[in-house]
Amino acid sequence: DQQVKQNSPSLSVQEGRISILNCDYTNSMFDYFLWYKKYPAEGPTFLISISSIKDKNEDGRFTVFLNKSAKHLSLHIVPSQPGDSAVYFCAAKGGTYKYIFGTGTRLKVLA
Amino acid sequence: DTGVSQNPRHKITKRGQNVTFRCDPISEHNRLYWYRQTLGQGPEFLTYFQNEAQLEKSRLLSDRFSAERPKGSFSTLEIQRTEQGDSAMYLCASSVGLGFGEQFFGPGTRLTVL
Repeated sequence: DQQVKQNSPSLSVQEGRISILNCDYTNSMFDYFLWYKKYPAEGPTFLISISSIKDKNEDGRFTVFLNKSAKHLSLHIVPSQPGDSAVYFCAAKGGTYKYIFGTGTRLKVLA
Repeated sequence: DTGVSQNPRHKITKRGQNVTFRCDPISEHNRLYWYRQTLGQGPEFLTYFQNEAQLEKSRLLSDRFSAERPKGSFSTLEIQRTEQGDSAMYLCASSVGLGFGEQFFGPGTRLTVL
């Protein structure tokens, strides 16, 4: 039962353009969402988060949008840079302490 | 380096052997999580500690798995009678405070069971 889904396993974007990574969830009780970035041989690193009471959160080049009615969130990276090439995971807080991760999207930013 | 550390980074063992992994969280972090990640998947929650108390365990954590966090500092994850299906990356993360703060992940321990 995959409660958090990232349906695009990979995405390629030209440097300077916008990268949009998508995430869908099924549990309407999720109340907090996060995006992580992972480079090879390293643990995931936190990027940005959003509470379910908001629909947008912005931090520099990164913006997360939440559409609760569609149970959908997206991460926008503008402008994309080659150093952004990594695997991106979305995660949702389910239950009191449990975080549920998606399967990840591999982003490749082409120079 | 004041981040989350995990040891060993790699472990190769034979089926049926016991293994133990260690996680040292960021020193002031009271929350500690263990996850398992297999190829092509995201991290799967295994267990959660608040200080020394283990407050939640996933049904993925069979009776062969046990985790401890004595004195609320470092944590250990032990797998008894390892099986080939236990081969995975085991990640530890820590966070601080009462809210839903970001988790800081360690580099992981890669387990290979032959």
